[in-house]
Amino acid sequence: GAGVSQSPRYKVAKRGQDVALRCDPISGHVSLFWYQQALGQGPEFLTYFQNEAQLDKSGLPSDRFFAERPEGSVSTLKIQRTQQEDSAVYLCASSLEEASYGYTFGSGTRLTVV
Amino acid sequence: ELKVEQNPLFLSMQEGKNYTIYCNYSTTSDRLYWYRQDPGKSLESLFVLLSNGAVKQEGRLMASLDTKARLSTLHITAAVHDLSATYFCAVDVLRGKLIFGQGTELSVKP
Repeated sequence: GAGVSQSPRYKVAKRGQDVALRCDPISGHVSLFWYQQALGQGPEFLTYFQNEAQLDKSGLPSDRFFAERPEGSVSTLKIQRTQQEDSAVYLCASSLEEASYGYTFGSGTRLTVV
Repeated sequence: ELKVEQNPLFLSMQEGKNYTIYCNYSTTSDRLYWYRQDPGKSLESLFVLLSNGAVKQEGRLMASLDTKARLSTLHITAAVHDLSATYFCAVDVLRGKLIFGQGTELSVKP
């Protein structure tokens, strides 16, 4: 597609519920990233994939967070047993392997845990 | 600890005025990005600065990078209302792992 597509756009979850957030990167983009943006803050790195390989997951805040990209294109970020502090916008970004043109971000999924 | 600090965090400008946003970072990097974010929207890439001394300009915005000083600037010339948004700088510390600043919320008033 023309851009990075994320779904759903908004998600309201009850505390303790599991959620799955989807990211469709730009076709041909090798690298895919997930970021978490709390209200009024800059995005914070969560994890990075190169094709299907998850090369860096150092930013995942707890073992309740899990990300996958099984075929090297679409990625899913899963959050188990959601808690209120998980409320944030989750941004996905993709790039060609050589990111000298920068990273293209999706519109994000706004997660609200009630 | 890796830090990226922007200042000011809030900036209210009059149309037609000039101003500079500063981005200081604490780690070695030769790759820095500037993004714009409108309320409720995603990040729009403005500039990619890849080397010391790099300067890029687009319209009323000009960005520069001094890797020795670990400083990047975003200069706004003759501001217009359409530039109102939040601006983020981000340092690439490892193949796409970006560390973002806190953001500068810019409001341009008539």
